Amino acid sequence: AQKVTQAQTEISVVEKEDVTLDCVYETRDTTYYLFWYKQPPSGELVFLIRRNSFDEQNEISGRYSWNFQKSTSSFNFTITASQVVDSAVYFCALISNTGNQFYFGTGTSLTVIP
Amino acid sequence: DAGVIQSPRHEVTEMGQEVTLRCKPISGHDYLFWYRQTMMRGLELLIYFNNNVPIDDSGMPEDRFSAKMPNASFSTLKIQPSEPRDSAVYFCASSFGGPVFGNQPQHFGDGTRLSIL
Repeated sequence: AQKVTQAQTEISVVEKEDVTLDCVYETRDTTYYLFWYKQPPSGELVFLIRRNSFDEQNEISGRYSWNFQKSTSSFNFTITASQVVDSAVYFCALISNTGNQFYFGTGTSLTVIP
Repeated sequence: DAGVIQSPRHEVTEMGQEVTLRCKPISGHDYLFWYRQTMMRGLELLIYFNNNVPIDDSGMPEDRFSAKMPNASFSTLKIQPSEPRDSAVYFCASSFGGPVFGNQPQHFGDGTRLSIL
């Protein structure tokens, strides 16, 4: 079975603090893809990143970084020097090559306090 | 480039009425997805199409829900008759290459916020 768990329902941080959003996934497939999406208060879903299961290299994009660890089935997302504009709900998602379903976590609501 | 366009943005209607949600995918994308988002159940995939053909509708909650894609640039999600528990935000998304390939991001529309009274 495929499953994505985002244990943190809500997080609040003060502006400029670093924050890490956790994502733990379950799959029996050897080939799969992981995604992060951002949903700001305006409601739309914005694609942030995708990783395939064969590439465990961490990625950095500006203030965003992602730590993919197959050993712990985790794909965590860190925002460095958070800003108010980072306030949103962030979703982690999984899909495998053998499946045809896109599994979303329940999301983590991040509030950055000025 | 125009993104995925959904209409209406908001819909309020009375229980029992027919509701039709519309979606225009990004030009050139061959996959289209309909999702529903609620506080209780999070994001759920309802159905998706490949080249206008429904591939998997296992997420459609019941027979009251139907989806069509008459051409590559238009899809509808219909609820008839609507019920209060259908109240949710409905998202349409499109991608070039779909779940089987897995590495193509889905681009989401702004969603339709549906309220059934």
